[in-house]
Amino acid sequence: QKEVEQDPGPLSVPEGAIVSLNCTYSNSAFQYFMWYRQYSRKGPELLMYTYSSGNKEDGRFTAQVDKSSKYISLFIRDSQPSDSATYLCAMSAIKAAGNKLTFGGGTRVLVKP
Amino acid sequence: GAVVSQHPSWVICKSGTSVKIECRSLDFQATTMFWYRQFPKQSLMLMATSNEGSKATYEQGVEKDKFLINHASLTLSTLTVTSAHPEDSSFYICSASPTGGYNEQFFGPGTRLTVL
Repeated sequence: QKEVEQDPGPLSVPEGAIVSLNCTYSNSAFQYFMWYRQYSRKGPELLMYTYSSGNKEDGRFTAQVDKSSKYISLFIRDSQPSDSATYLCAMSAIKAAGNKLTFGGGTRVLVKP
Repeated sequence: GAVVSQHPSWVICKSGTSVKIECRSLDFQATTMFWYRQFPKQSLMLMATSNEGSKATYEQGVEKDKFLINHASLTLSTLTVTSAHPEDSSFYICSASPTGGYNEQFFGPGTRLTVL
């Protein structure tokens, strides 16, 4: 069993819909959680960074962390075709710079006009 | 801010030759940089962790003599694929972790290597 599980998709939604993405993990030591967006043939781009449990909102993006369930989510409101990409969750137990991240396999999202 | 560049963006080489890929943090210093490999429609596979001024730490199964990493300064790490073979063809991505920052990583745009 992988340490971080993520549905590979593809997840297809109509433009304007809410995109709901999630990851489950098994390591209870994870405290720092990130979401990256990766367009085809490009490097990942950091979207959201959260610590411990709770919600964080940034524009159309909302990240949620439920440590008791070992479950994190990313919601994208008012989705646009430009949101079509692969979304990767990543997590770490240690805050310090230079520590490895554990990535999910990524969910491919397709927003149809 | 937090821009990472990679050069070249794509390269084609003949089997048996060596290829060097550069990773630069443009607006921050990075004591630690990471090198990943990614196959089509798959997630990132960490190859090695590169620390400025010291030897890289390779993940299990990665041949350190084949994938040479040099982190000569706080803004530059290089990956050299030695004696490249077609099976080394892949998308190579570096990331950098800002010195004194947290554990977030900022990624370069990637380098597509094709070995003929």
